[in-house]
Amino acid sequence: GIQVEQSPPDLILQEGANSTLRCNFSDSVNNLQWFHQNPWGQLINLFYIPSGTKQNGRLSATTVATERYSLLYISSSQTTDSGVYFCAVWGSNYKLTFGKGTLLTVNP
Amino acid sequence: DAGVIQSPRHEVTEMGQEVTLRCKPISGHDYLFWYRQTMMRGLELLIYFNNNVPIDDSGMPEDRFSAKMPNASFSTLKIQPSEPRDSAVYFCASSSRLAGEQFFGPGTRLTVL
Repeated sequence: GIQVEQSPPDLILQEGANSTLRCNFSDSVNNLQWFHQNPWGQLINLFYIPSGTKQNGRLSATTVATERYSLLYISSSQTTDSGVYFCAVWGSNYKLTFGKGTLLTVNP
Repeated sequence: DAGVIQSPRHEVTEMGQEVTLRCKPISGHDYLFWYRQTMMRGLELLIYFNNNVPIDDSGMPEDRFSAKMPNASFSTLKIQPSEPRDSAVYFCASSSRLAGEQFFGPGTRLTVL
């Protein structure tokens, strides 16, 4: 099946810093989503971005489908950004396959 | 819309007992998915339905697990008999199309003693 690799696995930031999270995938995809799992366990939709660039406030994402990667940018990070960020892709196996996530900790 | 609704939010049971998890998808969504999240295996798809019909159940771990969708607004995931290794968070998600954006419920945290 399709492989999804996220990096870095862990990231510690001071409040106000910027960061870039990366998602690599092994095959062509029809769908790519970024989620934030908050400390209460909720999976919150950030972006549905099979290709191109989208922005939502301090967050933006870019997917380059031809090169099989996606990037999530977080600017001016806040403590509420802490949690696990997941990339998930829908490929030819007709399933949404998740990466292992990036654990982000933002310290005040 | 209220989003995807799951119940119960927490379930603690003893080994051998039957467990039933419930899900109400977003109104108008034709696809419903059940996922399981564990530390060891991460988030994995168990089964999904289209228009109340099971399409792919290849992720269901074994015969102790079963899922039904009797109508467009309700689905159940049943474990009988439950075992300690079934302890996990079970998520339900829905989507308006096959490869479309999926929206997740709050999850059910299951603990089997």
